[in-house]
Amino acid sequence: KNEVEQSPQNLTAQEGEFITINCSYSVGISALHWLQQHPGGGIVSLFMLSSGKKKHGRLIATINIQEKHSSLHITASHPRDSAVYICAARYNTDKLIFGTGTRLQVFP
Amino acid sequence: DSGVTQTPKHLITATGQRVTLRCSPRSGDLSVYWYQQSLDQGLQFLIQYYNGEERAKGNILERFSAQQFPDLHSELNLSSLELGDSALYFCASSRQPATDTQYFGPGTRLTVL
Repeated sequence: KNEVEQSPQNLTAQEGEFITINCSYSVGISALHWLQQHPGGGIVSLFMLSSGKKKHGRLIATINIQEKHSSLHITASHPRDSAVYICAARYNTDKLIFGTGTRLQVFP
Repeated sequence: DSGVTQTPKHLITATGQRVTLRCSPRSGDLSVYWYQQSLDQGLQFLIQYYNGEERAKGNILERFSAQQFPDLHSELNLSSLELGDSALYFCASSRQPATDTQYFGPGTRLTVL
């Protein structure tokens, strides 16, 4: 069964802290997506990666194919980073299997 | 603003009814995806269309159907609604399936009473 697991479920940080969110998947995938869901419900696609590392501003996503693991890092976290972060794995078809999400709260 | 539009924003209806959710993809995007987000199940993939043809199917109930029209907009039809169908329904689009980033619409919040 294709599964995606995220940790932690909830994360609280002080402004400026370095954040790491983890995602594990069960079998080989064709791509791994990281999404951000704002408190209002809107979803933004942050990264799509199949190998290595991608960076956009203060966000960095990495993937280790051998270990079936991906991480999303936020450097110098800010209260506006408060959101739910969701990883999703694409397997052989175009279907995305979603993790349960990590709720991040960053306090000033 | 992702460029993907969904209507309506909110929909309140009764059990047993039928509703239609509409999605307009970003200009130039050929692929449309439908997702359901409920409190107990999280985000789930329902169905994908590419240039008018169904390309992949996920956990879509038989009471639900979708189509993509020649102008590339898509509709998701939900019938014989049950309380458990209450959820946020998202549409997303991408230029090509599989290889491109998906851009999400703002969602339609469906409440079944």
